[in-house]
Amino acid sequence: GQSLEQPSEVTAVEGAIVQINCTYQTSGFYGLSWYQQHDGGAPTFLSYNALDGLEETGRFSSFLSRSDSYGYLLLQELQMKDSASYFCAVRDETGGSYIPTFGRGTSLIVHP
Amino acid sequence: SQTIHQWPATLVQPVGSPLSLECTVEGTSNPNLYWYRQAAGRGLQLLFYSVGIGQISSEVPQNLSASRPQDRQFILSSKKLLLSDSGFYLCAWSIGYNEQFFGPGTRLTVL
Repeated sequence: GQSLEQPSEVTAVEGAIVQINCTYQTSGFYGLSWYQQHDGGAPTFLSYNALDGLEETGRFSSFLSRSDSYGYLLLQELQMKDSASYFCAVRDETGGSYIPTFGRGTSLIVHP
Repeated sequence: SQTIHQWPATLVQPVGSPLSLECTVEGTSNPNLYWYRQAAGRGLQLLFYSVGIGQISSEVPQNLSASRPQDRQFILSSKKLLLSDSGFYLCAWSIGYNEQFFGPGTRLTVL
């Protein structure tokens, strides 16, 4: 089966850079996604990495190393509104299905 | 553009009562549909997913069931709710599996 590990909580100061790590164990790995969820809200898609390397979208970047079974989400120029939970999700082939499995989430707290 | 609707937004039900949560998607055809449950401060637990009308796969055996009577309609049901069924229920859709789009969720409290 799959397992994903990400820190439960990360704190940072407004304007800083923060990295949220995700390590995984799967079989038949296809890709790694990141989602953001504000308190009381629904998760929203941030990024997807299928190949090694860095994908940049504005202030957010996502990195994947397939050989290390590791990825991270990098948030730059942190803003108070970035305080939220961030989930990594792995898509792999389990039992013939391709459904993503979500990690337990990382709560990011941004301080002024 | 595509939109996803869920209702109700909040629900308080007594133990042993039935449940029906509905999810509909607009603006796309033949989406993959999903039901997730999220306990307070926890991750997303996949309950059911469907790749087509009448096709339901269950990920977690429990007292919940799902149905897909129409292409863009997904229903989560229970005949008798348990206290442990409390949580935040999220419906999602996707075309492919790389990106999922979530509905606003239903917060269920079972008393």
